[in-house]
Amino acid sequence: NAGVTQTPKFQVLKTGQSMTLQCAQDMNHNSMYWYRQDPGMGLRLIYYSASEGTTDKGEVPNGYNVSRLNKREFSLRLESAAPSQTSVYFCASSPSGGRSIDTQYFGPGTRLTVL
Amino acid sequence: KQEVTQIPAALSVPEGENLVLNCSFTDSAIYNLQWFRQDPGKGLTSLLLIQSSQREQTSGRLNASLDKSSGRSTLYIAASQPGDSATYLCAVGNSGYALNFGKGTSLLVTP
Repeated sequence: NAGVTQTPKFQVLKTGQSMTLQCAQDMNHNSMYWYRQDPGMGLRLIYYSASEGTTDKGEVPNGYNVSRLNKREFSLRLESAAPSQTSVYFCASSPSGGRSIDTQYFGPGTRLTVL
Repeated sequence: KQEVTQIPAALSVPEGENLVLNCSFTDSAIYNLQWFRQDPGKGLTSLLLIQSSQREQTSGRLNASLDKSSGRSTLYIAASQPGDSATYLCAVGNSGYALNFGKGTSLLVTP
């Protein structure tokens, strides 16, 4: 099993450009998450999807949108990238559709630089 | 808001030593606490998950304890090896969907 996969691994954008980060999991998990990790800070939740067809905001949602395309896929879109969005983005999934009672399985990350 | 603190921020030990990493949290109403490992440039790997009703979990040379009343958890690594070098992250699960992460302890085990 591949687990959680993310594409692309690296991306450089210019301010104002848009892009979509892709995430897929093959573990039949109900919940999926997008986090960002910045130097000197812990991981922070951007958006999550407790189950297929639902999405909700996390701690730092401004400037992002998400789509839970199906049970496997959860994408993160930056409509107009800003330098403050330079970060490492992690997608994660967990088995249950409930609250944070399960372990979460993380993808390898996407390293995004916005110039 | 749950605040998670990890001490020390960095640690260097010679191979073979036993060591303890510390995690503290401000809100004791937790569902669980998890320890993750992160290698440079890589994603997170779950090491141990302790449910709120448990006191400790063990996996190989790793032992994690949880004291909810005092808001503390420790990760004990026995007989450390150079391959244990990584950043160790503590994450607390509360009533929401997100995990609340500490900033991590960067561990270097020297041969």
